[in-house]
Amino acid sequence: AQSVSQHNHHVILSEAASLELGCNYSYGGTVNLFWYVQYPGQHLQLLLKYFSGDPLVKGIKGFEAEFIKSKFSFNLRKPSVQWSDTAEYFCAVANQAGTALIFGKGTTLSVSS
Amino acid sequence: GAGVSQSPRYKVAKRGQDVALRCDPISGHVSLFWYQQALGQGPEFLTYFQNEAQLDKSGLPSDRFFAERPEGSVSTLKIQRTQQEDSAVYLCASSFGGLKQETQYFGPGTRLLVL
Repeated sequence: AQSVSQHNHHVILSEAASLELGCNYSYGGTVNLFWYVQYPGQHLQLLLKYFSGDPLVKGIKGFEAEFIKSKFSFNLRKPSVQWSDTAEYFCAVANQAGTALIFGKGTTLSVSS
Repeated sequence: GAGVSQSPRYKVAKRGQDVALRCDPISGHVSLFWYQQALGQGPEFLTYFQNEAQLDKSGLPSDRFFAERPEGSVSTLKIQRTQQEDSAVYLCASSFGGLKQETQYFGPGTRLLVL
């Protein structure tokens, strides 16, 4: 069965620090990958997604992710975090049938000002 | 409406009670998904509808869980004889079509607490 693992459970950064959140998936075929974010008190929303083409994907709010097929990875990056980036971040992969997203356990990011 | 809405937002049930959770997807969205999110975990898939057809219910944890979408819009997730382990946030999401790369838009969730 497909699975997603996120290496970091809780990351604490100061404003302006660079961010990289790890995500690895298990499936070796064609993949559709997503990063979702949940800000405090808000619902899950899409940051970015990859399904084909350029492996470097740019999303909202200055986030980007790189799909590295050989490493089964889709890490999320941001060069300079802001206090408002404090949130929970989820990596997900679409299942083969396209009927579901399989999520990682999430990474809580805390940014101090 | 502008987004996916869910009701109630909070539900407290006594063990053994039946509950019904409602999801209103974005108008015109063909696909509808239900997920269960336990505390400190990522969402876990429960079931998927394309219009009124329930095409995947492989994630439903037991036969106490039942979902329907009779007219291809509003969906209801019903849990019979609730147990304490059913306590979680139940998320509904919808997407425009049925393709794997499409964005799923999530609702705010219903937080269920079973005492």
